[in-house]
Amino acid sequence: EADIYQTPRYLVIGTGKKITLECSQTMGHDKMYWYQQDPGMELHLIHYSYGVNSTEKGDLSSESTVSRIRTEHFPLTLESARPSHTSQYLCASMGLAGGLTYNEQFFGPGTRLTVL
Amino acid sequence: GQNIDQPTEMTATEGAIVQINCTYQTSGFNGLFWYQQHAGEAPTFLSYNVLDGLEEKGRFSSFLSRSKGYSYLLLKELQMKDSASYLCAVRDYGQNFVFGPGTRLSVLP
Repeated sequence: EADIYQTPRYLVIGTGKKITLECSQTMGHDKMYWYQQDPGMELHLIHYSYGVNSTEKGDLSSESTVSRIRTEHFPLTLESARPSHTSQYLCASMGLAGGLTYNEQFFGPGTRLTVL
Repeated sequence: GQNIDQPTEMTATEGAIVQINCTYQTSGFNGLFWYQQHAGEAPTFLSYNVLDGLEEKGRFSSFLSRSKGYSYLLLKELQMKDSASYLCAVRDYGQNFVFGPGTRLSVLP
C-alpha cells in the first residue's frame, strides 16, 4: 500500500506570496517527482530527485525550487506566487520499498493551487 | 524528442469492451505504463509492459509492441466507475516518465 502525502490539499493565495507545498512518503522510496497538471491536460515533470541531496529540473520550465534533505521529504517552494502558477501539483515516488523494487510511480493526492 | 499520442475522448456502453490506443516516439524506452485518473484525483497505476505481448490483470489488459512503438489498454465488462482518464506513460532509460495527454473515457448506461 502506497503512503504518500501532500499538504495542503487546496491553497488560495495572493500574488507575491512565498509558498511551500509539502510532500512526504513513508515507503523509503529513493526517487521522488513533482508534476504540474492543468485540468484535463497532461502531466508535466517539473522536478525530480534520485536521492538525498540530489535534485534536477524536469522538462517543463518552472520558477519553483525543491530540496531533498531527507529521503521521505521533498518540498516544493515558490518564492513569489503569480496567477500563472495556478495549477494542480502532484508529487510521486518510486523505488525500493520493503526489499522490493517497484517499477511504477505512486502519486500523492495533489495540491490544487490558486493564485489570485 | 518525446511524443506520446492517445485519442482525446472515447465513449462506450456499460458491459462492453473498449480498447484505448497509445503510440509513442521517445529517445529511450524502459517500460510502458497505464494509469487511471478520475477527475480531480491523482493517477493510480493500472499496468506495466516492458516486453512485447499482452499482460492481463482482471478486467484490464495491456499490450505492447516495441518495434511499432504501440500499446493498447483493453477494458472488459465496462462499469460506470471506469469513466475516467487513462494515461499512457513511457519510462526512459533513466527513471523519468513521459506522460501522454490522456484519453477521457465515458461509460454510458
